[in-house]
Amino acid sequence: AQTVTQSQPEMSVQEAETVTLSCTYDTSENNYYLFWYKQPPSRQMILVIRQEAYKQQNATENRFSVNFQKAAKSFSLKISDSQLGDTAMYFCAFMKQDNFNKFYFGSGTKLNVKP
Amino acid sequence: KAGVTQTPRYLIKTRGQQVTLSCSPISGHRSVSWYQQTPGQGLQFLFEYFSETQRNKGNFPGRFSGRQFSNSRSEMNVSTLELGDSALYLCASSLEGGSGRGAFFGQGTRLTVV
Repeated sequence: AQTVTQSQPEMSVQEAETVTLSCTYDTSENNYYLFWYKQPPSRQMILVIRQEAYKQQNATENRFSVNFQKAAKSFSLKISDSQLGDTAMYFCAFMKQDNFNKFYFGSGTKLNVKP
Repeated sequence: KAGVTQTPRYLIKTRGQQVTLSCSPISGHRSVSWYQQTPGQGLQFLFEYFSETQRNKGNFPGRFSGRQFSNSRSEMNVSTLELGDSALYLCASSLEGGSGRGAFFGQGTRLTVV
């Protein structure tokens, strides 16, 4: 079975600063994908960034980047130059390859960006 | 391009009733999956459909069922509602569901069972 753990229930960061959200996962699979989703108060889950396990290079999307450590089964999200609009719940998710959008989600981290 | 549309947005039902939720995926997307989100259990996978066929199923009782139509629109049905079924139900769509590109989610249907 796959499990995803987010050990930080809530975090705060000042606007324009950098914050890192942690995620660890447990799997015996070798081929899989990892994702970070954001859920603002509007409730809609928005894909922030994704990483293929076979790629060693860490994914980057504008102000968002990940630190993927496959051996350690760690997948942290770094948000640079935090903005008020980044305030949301952030979920780390795991999906086995070819597993038809069956995501395993962590419990989430509530990020508050303060002005 | 329109996003994933879920209807209705809010629903209040009585214990024992049944309910049907609807999801219209992004145009061209053929994979639709459903999730239940509760404060206690978090986000849990219900099932996934592709070309009208259920390809994957989570660990939910048989009271939870779904289907997909030829236009890729999907419905999920919960029969004999229980108080514990109160949750946000999210639908997600993607082109084919297994490529690792991720999925696009709707805004969900908030179901309250009283």
